[in-house]
Amino acid sequence: GAVVSQHPSWVICKSGTSVKIECRSLDFQATTMFWYRQFPKQSLMLMATSNEGSKATYEQGVEKDKFLINHASLTLSTLTVTSAHPEDSSFYICSASRAGLAGANHNEQFFGPGTRLTVL
Amino acid sequence: GENVEQHPSTLSVQEGDSAVIKCTYSDSASNYFPWYKQELGKRPQLIIDIRSNVGEKKDQRIAVTLNKTAKHFSLHITETQPEDSAVYFCAASYPNDYKLSFGAGTTVTVRA
Repeated sequence: GAVVSQHPSWVICKSGTSVKIECRSLDFQATTMFWYRQFPKQSLMLMATSNEGSKATYEQGVEKDKFLINHASLTLSTLTVTSAHPEDSSFYICSASRAGLAGANHNEQFFGPGTRLTVL
Repeated sequence: GENVEQHPSTLSVQEGDSAVIKCTYSDSASNYFPWYKQELGKRPQLIIDIRSNVGEKKDQRIAVTLNKTAKHFSLHITETQPEDSAVYFCAASYPNDYKLSFGAGTTVTVRA
């Protein structure tokens, strides 16, 4: 149980285009999803927290108009990188939490496999 | 916000020896401390976690200790094997917003 998928696993796009990444919890309801960015040989940096049915909460320094997050259902959150530039090239990882659900380990996050974005 | 520091950044051990990674956190309100193992290009995998009401937890060759007073926690891997080679991250989480703050990571290399 507690499987999280991401699609696509990798994407190459031209500068100026937009890219959408999907994060799905396959066998549980995710009240909260998190989006991270990880540059080579660095740690995971939290970009935003996404709660189903409400606006995402962005971390300081993350442009909400550039990184659009939608959490339309308890099993799907999407991250859209708008007008992508080479400096947006990174490994984007989502995680899902069952926080708020009865009986759940509220702190544990289940990670997706990540999406490698390369902007030319 | 929470600030997690992790040391060392790299660690090379002989197969069969022990490896210890240490982390400190800044906010005494943090109450959940997971450790993740990440192989190149893969997702972080939870290997062990500990809550603030427990001082130590062990799972086979892996153990974690927590000192709430000093605000530090450590990962201990005994009898290391080549497949333990990876990047290890510690993290800390608040009780209310469930966000994880990650340490910078430790690259562990187990020499055969």
